[in-house]
Amino acid sequence: EDQVTQSPEALRLQEGESSSLNCSYTVSGLRGLFWYRQDPGKGPEFLFTLYSAGEEKEKERLKATLTKKESFLHITAPKPEDSATYLCAVQAASSASKIIFGSGTRLSIRP
Amino acid sequence: SAVISQKPSRDICQRGTSLTIQCQVDSQVTMMFWYRQQPGQSLTLIATANQGSEATYESGFVIDKFPISRPNLTFSTLTVSNMSPEDSSIYLCSAIPVVGDTQYFGPGTRLTVL
Repeated sequence: EDQVTQSPEALRLQEGESSSLNCSYTVSGLRGLFWYRQDPGKGPEFLFTLYSAGEEKEKERLKATLTKKESFLHITAPKPEDSATYLCAVQAASSASKIIFGSGTRLSIRP
Repeated sequence: SAVISQKPSRDICQRGTSLTIQCQVDSQVTMMFWYRQQPGQSLTLIATANQGSEATYESGFVIDKFPISRPNLTFSTLTVSNMSPEDSSIYLCSAIPVVGDTQYFGPGTRLTVL
């Protein structure tokens, strides 16, 4: 069964304190792995798509990496406005475009 | 990318009534989906909205409870029927543009059932 597990469930950092969020996945043939940011009361905002092991994508203070079993979202020198829930999702090769979401990591950055 | 709007943004409804949520995309898309997100939880796929044919429902969701329409390439509706307090949730529409695999999401509809 396809599955996505995110850790930690919640993470509190001081402003400027870099860290990483983990997304472990089990899928029968990965077609794509997606990272989203979700602010309270809003829909998920697309961040990155990764397709193959070794691929990396960057956007401002965020960098996403992918291996055959997991993905990391690295946050460098975060600011309070980076506080949000970060969701990971995977699409299996046989899924007809459906994606499976992890439970998310709630990130809080203290000034 | 795709810009997605939903109406209403929120509603408070009485038990036993129905609510229809509208989803409009600013450009043609291939796939449209409806999700539910219960408080503090992640997203659960309800169904894939198919243009001109019946939606494809996930396990645990049925057409009588969540009828879906998709009359054209950019518009879909989800109805939550015969509501109970357990239906209180955020309902999200998503779509995949003609080019690419990425799903883009609407802002969601926050539903409270009393």
